[in-house]
Amino acid sequence: AQSVAQPEDQVNVAEGNPLTVKCTYSVSGNPYLFWYVQYPNRGLQFLLKYITGDNLVKGSYGFEAEFNKSQTSFHLKKPSALVSDSALYFCAVRDPYAGGTSYGKLTFGQGTILTVHP
Amino acid sequence: GAGVSQTPSNKVTEKGKYVELRCDPISGHTALYWYRQSLGQGPEFLIYFQGTGAADDSGLPNDRFFAVRPEGSVSTLKIQRTERGDSAVYLCASSLKNSNSPLHFGNGTRLTVT
Repeated sequence: AQSVAQPEDQVNVAEGNPLTVKCTYSVSGNPYLFWYVQYPNRGLQFLLKYITGDNLVKGSYGFEAEFNKSQTSFHLKKPSALVSDSALYFCAVRDPYAGGTSYGKLTFGQGTILTVHP
Repeated sequence: GAGVSQTPSNKVTEKGKYVELRCDPISGHTALYWYRQSLGQGPEFLIYFQGTGAADDSGLPNDRFFAVRPEGSVSTLKIQRTERGDSAVYLCASSLKNSNSPLHFGNGTRLTVT
């Protein structure tokens, strides 16, 4: 079974400082990994994904994430945080080699609330 | 272009009643997903369709929950004999068929069972 853990319920950073939101995963094979952001009373918005290739992937709004296979991690990063980055962030994993027709299922973590202080 | 549309945005119903939640996916997306999100939690998988058929319904909590997608586009999530524990935000998402495609989410339907 596939699973995702986001060990921090909340992350607080000052504007202009770098930010990291942590994510670890568990799948039987090579994972497809995704980050989503959710603003209040809105649906989830796709930020970036890792499928294969370069371990460092870049996405929307200046975010990037680094895939580390040995640590089974996919941490979200941004070099300089903005107050407008404050939101709820979700990491998600898909096992494309899952048996039967389950390859499309995307499993989400519990989410991390990011607060960027002015 | 238009994104994923969910109606209604809010639904209040009494315990024991039947409800239907509708999802209009992005045109051309063959995969459609339903998730449920409770306050302070991540989205919980319910079911997903490839075309008209349910490819994986392992997340449906019990037989009171049912979903259809008769023409491979619009989908309806149906909940019978609603219970207070069903109160949550129900999210719909669609994507292209490829497993490396991201999901595109609607804004959700907030269901409150009183």
